[in-house]
Amino acid sequence: DSGVTQTPKHLITATGQRVTLRCSPRSEDLSVYWYQQSLDQGLQFLIHYYNGEERAKGNILERFSAQQFPDLHSELNLSSLELGDSALYFCASSVAGGSNEQFFGPGTRLTVL
Amino acid sequence: GQSLEQPSEVTAVEGAIVQINCTYQTSGFYGLSWYQQHDGGAPTFLSYNALDGLEETGRFSSFLSRSDSYGYLLLQELQMKDSASYFCAVNNAGNMLTFGGGTRLMVKP
Repeated sequence: DSGVTQTPKHLITATGQRVTLRCSPRSEDLSVYWYQQSLDQGLQFLIHYYNGEERAKGNILERFSAQQFPDLHSELNLSSLELGDSALYFCASSVAGGSNEQFFGPGTRLTVL
Repeated sequence: GQSLEQPSEVTAVEGAIVQINCTYQTSGFYGLSWYQQHDGGAPTFLSYNALDGLEETGRFSSFLSRSDSYGYLLLQELQMKDSASYFCAVNNAGNMLTFGGGTRLMVKP
């Protein structure tokens, strides 16, 4: 158990819909990262938040957005869903100060029908 | 852009030693990380190399050569539970990770 929690574990929805994925980092971590894992694209970095502020963006679609709240939990919002958005979405957290180890949550499996 | 290359599959027998290579092309390189992921599970951190040389952690070791843009993960005394996917990842600024495609390791009895 990494100490990072994600909800829900599974999500099934239809094309065109909008969903919100939630992540709670370890209590000591200020950084939250979001990753998408699919069979064809592998494990891809989406976005990084540090203490409530966006720090880096990767291959994140404009239909996707994220935020980190004052209590440091984070949400990833996916809208106008397409079949290709079906994937495992992981969040990870790390301590402040540039620790190199990221602790991954169990992931949310999103299925778009 | 950035790219990492690692073999897609490796098979070895229990008790053996296996080496998983990773070559990378990237800008803003801070270090090379290795993560393990069992089927249906989350990636878990194994090691990190910022400088050239070998880092040893128990049965696992990781090596980096920055001049060759190359690293490897060495797994010794293989056990059945080591069957998993192994990802190398480049650490960029802000501890952002760019992952390779993963190497599926199958350990046979």
